[in-house]
Amino acid sequence: SAVISQKPSRDICQRGTSLTIQCQVDSQVTMMFWYRQQPGQSLTLIATANQGSEATYESGFVIDKFPISRPNLTFSTLTVSNMSPEDSSIYLCSVVAGYTYEQYFGPGTRLTVT
Amino acid sequence: AQSVTQPDIHITVSEGASLELRCNYSYGATPYLFWYVQSPGQGLQLLLKYFSGDTLVQGIKGFEAEFKRSQSSFNLRKPSVHWSDAAEYFCAVGGSSNTGKLIFGQGTTLQVKP
Repeated sequence: SAVISQKPSRDICQRGTSLTIQCQVDSQVTMMFWYRQQPGQSLTLIATANQGSEATYESGFVIDKFPISRPNLTFSTLTVSNMSPEDSSIYLCSVVAGYTYEQYFGPGTRLTVT
Repeated sequence: AQSVTQPDIHITVSEGASLELRCNYSYGATPYLFWYVQSPGQGLQLLLKYFSGDTLVQGIKGFEAEFKRSQSSFNLRKPSVHWSDAAEYFCAVGGSSNTGKLIFGQGTTLQVKP
């Protein structure tokens, strides 16, 4: 398995501002992902964070709103831009370590937009 | 379309009773199936997975799940529930195409009565 940390663990932000969430893994991983969990809902994949290239976004998510970086095999950031109250969610990063297809999740970042 | 359905939104069982959480999937290729648990304020923890082979898989915390291809199901079971099992349970499906993407069900909230 992999040990994943996220910063910040929670934040309260004003609408119109941006927040960058960091995801750090204790070992090199092949795949990293970002998910959103809206209040009382299940998880929805935002994008696949590709090392050294642009992220691959799922339908309904765009780079201008959720820019993602992945400069190396252990670190990624997700920015939530121009926030509105509808962006209030838990944002989780996940990784697939090696070729096991097992996917492990970080503790999440709880974002509240006022 | 690929999807995961967890028919039971909320289940209540008495401590010591047996538990079965249902999961049905729709997936065009060979499915990789997972169960995750999310305790209040916590991230997701992988309980067990099915990739191939024996259709009855054992996981952590005394959980097991059975893959039934004919019924497109992957139900989670535990013979005797403990109060600490109260949490949200998510079934997820991924593919053998090595994209790593997971599709999650809506989740089942488990409440345990003393």
